[in-house]
Amino acid sequence: QKEVEQDPGPLSVPEGAIVSLNCTYSNSAFQYFMWYRQYSRKGPELLMYTYSSGNKEDGRFTAQVDKSSKYISLFIRDSQPSDSATYLCAMSLGGGATNKLIFGTGTLLAVQP
Amino acid sequence: DADVTQTPRNRITKTGKRIMLECSQTKGHDRMYWYRQDPGLGLQLIYYSFDVKDINKGEISDGYSVSRQAQAKFSLSLESAIPNQTALYFCATKLGHTGELFFGEGSRLTVL
Repeated sequence: QKEVEQDPGPLSVPEGAIVSLNCTYSNSAFQYFMWYRQYSRKGPELLMYTYSSGNKEDGRFTAQVDKSSKYISLFIRDSQPSDSATYLCAMSLGGGATNKLIFGTGTLLAVQP
Repeated sequence: DADVTQTPRNRITKTGKRIMLECSQTKGHDRMYWYRQDPGLGLQLIYYSFDVKDINKGEISDGYSVSRQAQAKFSLSLESAIPNQTALYFCATKLGHTGELFFGEGSRLTVL
């Protein structure tokens, strides 16, 4: 079993839809949770960064962490064609332990105009 | 210009050839990383370096070597390339213990 599981998609939604992207994990010691966005032919870029459980909101994006269920989510409201990308979840044992950053496989999202 | 530059962006080579992927950064970050991305496997850490004299193996270092020539330069070598090293390779940088990880645009390597 992988430490981090992520549905690869692809996920296709109409413009304006609410998108829910999810990851599950097995290591209860993970404390830092991240979402990266990767456009085609580009490197990943950090989108959201959350410590421990709870919600974090940034514009149209909300990151949610449920440590009791070992489940994290990224919600995108009013999705736009420019949101079409692969979304990677990532997590680590400690905020500085990037050498231990574990990535999900990524979910490919297509937002149709 | 990109803050994290990888060269070459694309390379096709043959089995047994030596190949080097180079990474340079203008961000002034101390930490540099090499990742490999494969469909269905996500990003896997190959090597990382906290400074010029500190090189560490990641999850999948076998068949790879690295050199940190300067704080701004970190190269990845495949001494004798094999087909299952065909992948997308990313260099990344980070400032200190808690900084954000910044990725280059990737180097696509095909080994025939």
